[in-house]
Amino acid sequence: EVQLVETGGGLIQPGGSLRLSCAASGFTVSSNYMSWVRQAPGKGLEWVSVIYSGGSTYYADSVRGRFTISRDNSKNTLYLQMNSLRAEDTAVYYCARDRDGYNLMDVWGKGTTVTVSS
Amino acid sequence: QSALTQPPSASGSPGQSVTISCTGTSSDVGGYIYVSWYQQHPGKAPKLMIYEVSKRPSGVPDRFSGSKSGNTASLTVSGLQAEDEADYYCSSYAGSNNFVVFGGGTKLTVL
Repeated sequence: EVQLVETGGGLIQPGGSLRLSCAASGFTVSSNYMSWVRQAPGKGLEWVSVIYSGGSTYYADSVRGRFTISRDNSKNTLYLQMNSLRAEDTAVYYCARDRDGYNLMDVWGKGTTVTVSS
Repeated sequence: QSALTQPPSASGSPGQSVTISCTGTSSDVGGYIYVSWYQQHPGKAPKLMIYEVSKRPSGVPDRFSGSKSGNTASLTVSGLQAEDEADYYCSSYAGSNNFVVFGGGTKLTVL
């Protein structure tokens, strides 16, 4: 079964760091484009970052320089390292498989919640 | 403020059709075929319903259809059913700088 499972969310103080993980099963992370999308409480979806199968990475302006997307091929897992966290980063973070790298996100995890608060 | 503009709400009775619009610019919706629509039920992850403007993934009922004219994309749900009640988000590829932009979402209510 094709599946994504996010972990690593929690309560963190402003300025802190957190690393989210997204374990994949049923397909190979390194052979696909993989994205992170977040949703603030009561708000819409916001694309955060993508890593191409070739390794290129892209970020939304709101997180560029603070967040880093990466993957561990041996663990078939995607990561999102989040530094210098702000209150506005509070959201449910979803990982998703993008089949063609052009906004065809066909497999989504259930999400992990990040709360940035003092 | 979202990059793409959607109406906040839409509604229809069972069996009726409803169309949700999504307006962007020539840098996103108008410039690419890579427009997708996602359905999200409360507390659940989004689900891909339409990709490349009008294509349906396997398993999505043909009651869901998509189209595009200029900078505006549309999602039409025909033969409304109770389980169609959800939030719907449009999104578009927007080039290598912005990559993907989303609309603010439309809450579809089945009366």
